[in-house]
Amino acid sequence: AQSVSQHNHHVILSEAASLELGCNYSYGGTVNLFWYVQYPGQHLQLLLKYFSGDPLVKGIKGFEAEFIKSKFSFNLRKPSVQWSDTAEYFCAVNGDSNYQLIWGAGTKLIIKP
Amino acid sequence: DVKVTQSSRYLVKRTGEKVFLECVQDMDHENMFWYRQDPGLGLRLIYFSYDVKMKEKGDIPEGYSVSREKKERFSLILESASTNQTSMYLCASSLRGDLLNTEAFFGQGTRLTVV
Repeated sequence: AQSVSQHNHHVILSEAASLELGCNYSYGGTVNLFWYVQYPGQHLQLLLKYFSGDPLVKGIKGFEAEFIKSKFSFNLRKPSVQWSDTAEYFCAVNGDSNYQLIWGAGTKLIIKP
Repeated sequence: DVKVTQSSRYLVKRTGEKVFLECVQDMDHENMFWYRQDPGLGLRLIYFSYDVKMKEKGDIPEGYSVSREKKERFSLILESASTNQTSMYLCASSLRGDLLNTEAFFGQGTRLTVV
């Protein structure tokens, strides 16, 4: 069965620090990969996605993620975080289904002003 | 802009009550989903539907049922609410088709408390 692992449940950073959130998945075939974000009091929304092509994917608000197939990873990065990046971040994978995404447990990111 | 609307943001129900959570989407999406979100567990799929009157069990369907009589509306039913069903419930929709269309759009969530 497919699974997604997010290594850190809570991350606390100061403004301007660099961010990397880990995501590993277990599935041997072709995958579609997603990062979603949930800002406080708001609905989950798509941050970025990878389907094929360039493994370095750029999303909204300066975020990017790199798909490393050999490591089964899709880590999220941002060079300089802002207080407004405080949110919960979810990694999700679709491998063999036209419908279902498999979700990680989420990482709560707190940015100290 | 895709809109997924859940009927309630907060609900408080008593143990044993029958509870209905409603979700409506306005983008003519074929797929609709109900998840529950619990701290440290991420999103767990309860049920999904890929067409009117069609439904499939997700990972945790026990204690729940669903109804999809119209394409835009997907209802989650707790037949007899229990305290372990206290959670945040999220509705989502997506286009059907090839794998490129599996991006999901979410509602605001319903925080259900069963007392």
